[in-house]
Amino acid sequence: DQQVKQNSPSLSVQEGRISILNCDYTNSMFDYFLWYKKYPAEGPTFLISISSIKDKNEDGRFTVFLNKSAKHLSLHIVPSQPGDSAVYFCASPSTGNQFYFGTGTSLTVIP
Amino acid sequence: EAQVTQNPRYLITVTGKKLTVTCSQNMNHEYMSWYRQDPGLGLRQIYYSMNVEVTDKGDVPEGYKVSRKEKRNFPLILESPSPNQTSLYFCASSNYGGLTNSPLHFGNGTRLTVT
Repeated sequence: DQQVKQNSPSLSVQEGRISILNCDYTNSMFDYFLWYKKYPAEGPTFLISISSIKDKNEDGRFTVFLNKSAKHLSLHIVPSQPGDSAVYFCASPSTGNQFYFGTGTSLTVIP
Repeated sequence: EAQVTQNPRYLITVTGKKLTVTCSQNMNHEYMSWYRQDPGLGLRQIYYSMNVEVTDKGDVPEGYKVSRKEKRNFPLILESPSPNQTSLYFCASSNYGGLTNSPLHFGNGTRLTVT
């Protein structure tokens, strides 16, 4: 089964600087990863994804990097804005059409 | 507007009193799923459904039931709720579920408290 781990429960960054959120996974068989963003009192919303045929995927201020040898992915937000303050989850599909989510990283962007 | 709708948003109940949380999607998605979010544990999958009349257990199915009689609806049933089921619940749907590049669309959550 796929396990995804986010080892940093929280992160604080100054507005305009780069935010880097990290995620590790255990099973190399699955090659599709997603990041979700969650504001309080709302459901998670899809942010960006990456498959193993790429090592980078960019969408505006958001870039996800995949390091397959290290089984590690990261989300970069540049420049960070106060509206980016939210909880970020990495996720990956696993066996039997299940999705596994990390425990989340709470990002605070300080104005 | 494409959306996943959960009801109710907030629910306080007592141990043992059966309850149902409804979930409906208007995107004609094949795949639907229920998650619970607990502090320090992230989102954990309870049940999922690949299509009508097809449901499967996720990681934490104990104490829950689901049904998928119609494509758009996927209710979560707690036959005899217990305090350890106090949690934030999310319903989600997608075109094809896991193992594909089809992101999940989530509802806004149901905050359940069992006393």
